[in-house]
Amino acid sequence: EAGVTQSPRYAVLQEGQAVSFWCDPISGHDTLYWYQQPRDQGPQLLVYFRDEAVIDNSQLPSDRFSAVRPKGTNSTLKIQSAKQGDTATYLCASSFGDRNTLYFGEGSRLIVV
Amino acid sequence: GEQVEQLPSSLIVQEGASVLINCSYTDSASVYFPWYKQEPGKRLQFIIDIRSNMERKQNQRLTLLFDKKTKHLSLHITATQPGDSAIYFCSANNNRIFFGDGTQLVVKP
Repeated sequence: EAGVTQSPRYAVLQEGQAVSFWCDPISGHDTLYWYQQPRDQGPQLLVYFRDEAVIDNSQLPSDRFSAVRPKGTNSTLKIQSAKQGDTATYLCASSFGDRNTLYFGEGSRLIVV
Repeated sequence: GEQVEQLPSSLIVQEGASVLINCSYTDSASVYFPWYKQEPGKRLQFIIDIRSNMERKQNQRLTLLFDKKTKHLSLHITATQPGDSAIYFCSANNNRIFFGDGTQLVVKP
């Protein structure tokens, strides 16, 4: 079974630039999560979807971050006008239902200088 | 919102020792508590979970204890091996999933 796939694995930006991260969840998983993991901290939820619907985006900085999952499969997280404080690893995870085990991708490491 | 705290933040033990990782949460609506492990350079991986209607769960060398009244969990790992070296994360799920900041375990051969 293929796992959760994320790309790109690494990105280095200057402040003010934009980046998009892409996630392909495990086939059949209806729930998809995006987490931000700063260095030496645990993952912090940004947004999660059930199928194509946003269930919770209360922790997503909406002025610069956006996330979509248009067909209920792949998802894109976009950061516009990046700041140094956005430096972190962005993790995608998927599950079947929202009270079950999460399967994580390898993450996209973002450095903003 | 939910807050999850883990202690200790780091542990260094000799191979063969047992370790205990403690986790506390604040939201009584949390009903599912999965734990994950992150080895260096690898993705977060599920290792064991417990639901709020249980008090104990064992999976080989891992034992997870849950106290609903005190909102406390503890993960016991016996007969540790160098391959157990990783960061261990506790999480609490009340539809949204909250993670602790992890416990870094180093097992020396």
